[in-house]
Amino acid sequence: DIQMTQSPSSLSASVGDRVTITCRASQGIRNDLNWYQQKPGKAPKRLIYAASSLQSGVPSRFSGSGSGTEFTLTISSLQPEDFATYYCLQHNSYPHTFGQGTKLEIK
Amino acid sequence: EVQLVQSGTEVKKPGESLKISCKGSGYTFTSCWIGWVRQMPGKGLEWMGIIYPDDSDTRYSPSFQGQVTISADKSISTAYLQWSSLKASDTAMYYCARWGGGLGPVLGDVWGKGTTVTVSS
Repeated sequence: DIQMTQSPSSLSASVGDRVTITCRASQGIRNDLNWYQQKPGKAPKRLIYAASSLQSGVPSRFSGSGSGTEFTLTISSLQPEDFATYYCLQHNSYPHTFGQGTKLEIK
Repeated sequence: EVQLVQSGTEVKKPGESLKISCKGSGYTFTSCWIGWVRQMPGKGLEWMGIIYPDDSDTRYSPSFQGQVTISADKSISTAYLQWSSLKASDTAMYYCARWGGGLGPVLGDVWGKGTTVTVSS
């Protein structure tokens, strides 16, 4: 199985901050990676697909980059509604696997 | 509008069987895989497996192989997740999601709202 190691596992930040979350794959996955945002009691919401493509309707302050084994999700200027848990997902090979999540909290 | 509508909350006893459902609409159901994802209380997302409703081709995570059965009835655009004998450790939220195969980047783009399963004696 491909392991997805996400860091940090939690992060405190302020409104307006720039934040970066990293996912590392245990082997190369090309750009077969999605990023999700999940708020308490809600289903995950896809933010980024194919490592760097922005989902329609998602604000442009969200961006993704990377290929191979290292990927990043960046939020350029945190807004109050961005405080949530974020997950990466690799879908290069079965079983597909999620990172363990990054909880983004208000400082 | 593309939607996945999941069945309602379930409360069961250990050893009981259960089948939860996920009904798709707004797209060609047989053209896309449907995936199931588990989220135990306070924990992260776990990929369980997927099914291609047109021919019922199925892939399971080794962690869930033999523990659950994924099936589909394409005539009613519905996918299912089934247990033959529930355990307390099956207590979780279960999500279905569209999981690729169609035209465009549809892997993990649309999710159901989830079905809460509680297993307790």
